[in-house]
Amino acid sequence: NAGVMQNPRHLVRRRGQEARLRCSPMKGHSHVYWYRQLPEEGLKFMVYLQKENIIDESGMPKERFSAEFPKEGPSILRIQQVVRGDSAAYFCASSPAVGTPNTGELFFGEGSRLTVL
Amino acid sequence: AQSVTQLGSHVSVSEGALVLLRCNYSSSVPPYLFWYVQYPNQGLQLLLKYTSAATLVKGINGFEAEFKKSETSFHLTKPSAHMSDAAEYFCAVSGGSQGNLIFGKGTKLSVKP
Repeated sequence: NAGVMQNPRHLVRRRGQEARLRCSPMKGHSHVYWYRQLPEEGLKFMVYLQKENIIDESGMPKERFSAEFPKEGPSILRIQQVVRGDSAAYFCASSPAVGTPNTGELFFGEGSRLTVL
Repeated sequence: AQSVTQLGSHVSVSEGALVLLRCNYSSSVPPYLFWYVQYPNQGLQLLLKYTSAATLVKGINGFEAEFKKSETSFHLTKPSAHMSDAAEYFCAVSGGSQGNLIFGKGTKLSVKP
């Protein structure tokens, strides 16, 4: 009964490189959310995706960040030309469906910790 | 728009003492409220959720929370703290048209022997 799987768990990049973070939702889940966690700041919503669609990207920085959830394969959060301020833990969560409003919980992965040197 | 305020970024209690973690919310629609726990270097695990049924919600590990609409609060309690309760606790709210949850900044709970 695999949960939400994220990889890599730890990623080190130098400034200017690209970071790719992957997330496979729980079996049967078709909704994926990405959150960023900075120390003392809690979790900040970044983007909400369904298969092949970005539903809400209101929390994504306007530049260098992108996300996708293709028909086949994991969801990917991509950060181009990383800077030191991108160092954080990035969490993926999934849910089976969304009501209006959402009454269900999100199931979280263990996170990917990005360090930018 | 929804928002969550957690009062106290750090709370310290003695083992066996009452745990009280405070959460106040703001929501333009009937809220659905959640408490999550995060152990070091791990993801978030659901403790309990309120979805407009009983106002007193019981969760895992002996935790419970009471929804008080008049106070816009959803405080988390546990009668007797255990060393294994040391973790960070997050309150979250949903209720918008999208599926995402809005989280508070978290409260780190320390338990002293």
